[in-house]
Amino acid sequence: AQTVTQSQPEMSVQEAETVTLSCTYDTSESNYYLFWYKQPPSRQMILVIRQEAYKQQNATENRFSVNFQKAAKSFSLKISDSQLGDTAMYFCAFMKHNGNQFYFGTGTSLTVIP
Amino acid sequence: DTGVSQNPRHKITKRGQNVTFRCDPISEHNRLYWYRQTLGQGPEFLTYFQNEAQLEKSRLLSDRFSAERPKGSFSTLEIQRTEQGDSAMYLCASSSLQTDTQYFGPGTRLTVL
Repeated sequence: AQTVTQSQPEMSVQEAETVTLSCTYDTSESNYYLFWYKQPPSRQMILVIRQEAYKQQNATENRFSVNFQKAAKSFSLKISDSQLGDTAMYFCAFMKHNGNQFYFGTGTSLTVIP
Repeated sequence: DTGVSQNPRHKITKRGQNVTFRCDPISEHNRLYWYRQTLGQGPEFLTYFQNEAQLEKSRLLSDRFSAERPKGSFSTLEIQRTEQGDSAMYLCASSSLQTDTQYFGPGTRLTVL
């Protein structure tokens, strides 16, 4: 079975600073997808960024980027120029290539301090 | 709004009652997923449909849980003989075959008294 581990239950960052959230996963699959989702307080889950395992280039979406290390099974999220609206729970997730199963980590609660 | 919708948003029931939740996915999405999320935890995958076919249901929590997607559009999740441990947020998500990115609904919060 696949597992996703987020070892940082809580983190905080000063506004405008950079923060990195860690995620590791365990799988025997060779082709899969990785995601970071954001869940603001009392609001629904939204996609932050996705990475296809066969692509070596790290995904980037505006202030959000990932460091994907396939051999190490590591998928960290970097948030640059942190904003107050980034305060949320962040979940790392793994999906098999055939899309029939999806695994989430336990989440990292990020607080951006003004 | 063309996002994923879920109804009801909140459900309070007494132990032993049956409950049913509905999910309406984004209209062109073939895949539909159900998850359970308890406080402080990540979503836990329950089941998955591709069109009307339920392709994965081994992770439904018990035989009290069942899901349907009869016409390949909306889906329902039913919990029979609810227990207090069933109290959680139930999330639905949908995706297309082309993108694999899941879009989540707002969830149904179930409280079993």
